Amino acid sequence: EDKVVQSPLSLVVHEGDTVTLNCSYEVTNFRSLLWYKQEKKAPTFLFMLTSSGIEKKSGRLSSILDKKELFSILNITATQTGDSAVYLCAVEAGNNNDMRFGAGTRLTVKP
Amino acid sequence: DTAVSQTPKYLVTQMGNDKSIKCEQNLGHDTMYWYKQDSKKFLKIMFSYNNKELIINETVPNRFSPKSPDKAHLNLHINSLELGDSAVYFCASSQGLASWQFFGPGTRLTVL
Repeated sequence: EDKVVQSPLSLVVHEGDTVTLNCSYEVTNFRSLLWYKQEKKAPTFLFMLTSSGIEKKSGRLSSILDKKELFSILNITATQTGDSAVYLCAVEAGNNNDMRFGAGTRLTVKP
Repeated sequence: DTAVSQTPKYLVTQMGNDKSIKCEQNLGHDTMYWYKQDSKKFLKIMFSYNNKELIINETVPNRFSPKSPDKAHLNLHINSLELGDSAVYFCASSQGLASWQFFGPGTRLTVL
């Protein structure tokens, strides 16, 4: 059965710290991996990764995929309180691009 | 043992038909959601129910009608299906609104 596992489950840091969130997966016929940030209502799309070793970057956030070791990391540098959220990883796989979400990592950034 | 489940997983139907998608969660959560995922992978919230009451109803055509028979279920009925309804629909649940949401596996709807 396909699995998407995120770690840690929760994380508390102080403003200015750098954090790394992990997402590992076991799926058949991998297509892509996506990261979302969930704050209040709908999760907002962050990145979509399809190729190994190519970093995607948006401001203080960056992400990279390792298709050999089957994981992705999401880095946030110089964290701010506004980064506090649940970060969701999702993997598209299979012939029909089925998407499976991980359980999420709750990040809390303290002033 | 799946936390949030959706049925069916795939649904192919003709324009004009009426169809339903079901969602069930066994997490004991009191809030459930329906999202539509667009072609850019953005998740657009459609509805949210808290304790069987409609809390969020975004700009969604009247053809879409959610029904929550109990806290563990939130079904989505769609009348007069249109080509533009083709998408992946995700159900999610949380304990309280604006809380950590757990997502189902999605239902891929294709309208021909």
